Amino acid sequence: DAGVIQSPRHEVTEMGQEVTLRCKPISGHDYLFWYRQTMMRGLELLIYFNNNVPIDDSGMPEDRFSAKMPNASFSTLKIQPSEPRDSAVYFCASSLDKTGAPEAFFGQGTRLTVV
Amino acid sequence: ILNVEQSPQSLHVQEGDSTNFTCSFPSSNFYALHWYRWETAKSPEALFVMTLNGDEKKKGRISATLNTKEGYSYLYIKGSQPEDSATYLCASSGSARQLTFGSGTQLTVLP
Repeated sequence: DAGVIQSPRHEVTEMGQEVTLRCKPISGHDYLFWYRQTMMRGLELLIYFNNNVPIDDSGMPEDRFSAKMPNASFSTLKIQPSEPRDSAVYFCASSLDKTGAPEAFFGQGTRLTVV
Repeated sequence: ILNVEQSPQSLHVQEGDSTNFTCSFPSSNFYALHWYRWETAKSPEALFVMTLNGDEKKKGRISATLNTKEGYSYLYIKGSQPEDSATYLCASSGSARQLTFGSGTQLTVLP
């Protein structure tokens, strides 16, 4: 398996524009997590899904952020409208809770810059 | 959301020295404890996952222990090498399975 695939790797956009980040989890994994990494807060959990269903979105900063998982192989994180303070690296991770000791695998991240 | 704390925040050691870091986590509703190694410009790489009190895992010169009753885990690196330089992240998951990360320990091994 190619691992967790995120796109784009880098995104530069103007304030007010809509941004969509994409994630393809490892095939067969039943959990998908979206994290945001900033210098101030480290790795923050934004939202996670189990079997395509959002379980906890309490980490989503505000209504400008939304996430979907229409099927087991694809998820999006959307920011509309984007603001400069949204600039960060966004990571997607997936795991399989089969053995009782789920190991989460991370994608390479999307570095978002909002100017 | 679980509160995971790591110490020290950063650490400089000489090549060949052994070192260790601490991760503390709430022991209630505990499911699993994860250690990750994170190099700059890369994604976090899983080192260990532990679930049982007293678990010990080892991978080469790196090992980890787990105490679920008191809520802590140690990561040990024996004979540190410059390539060990990275941020070491600890994460705890509860019954809801989401990973909550600590802020990490940034290790620099000086040649």
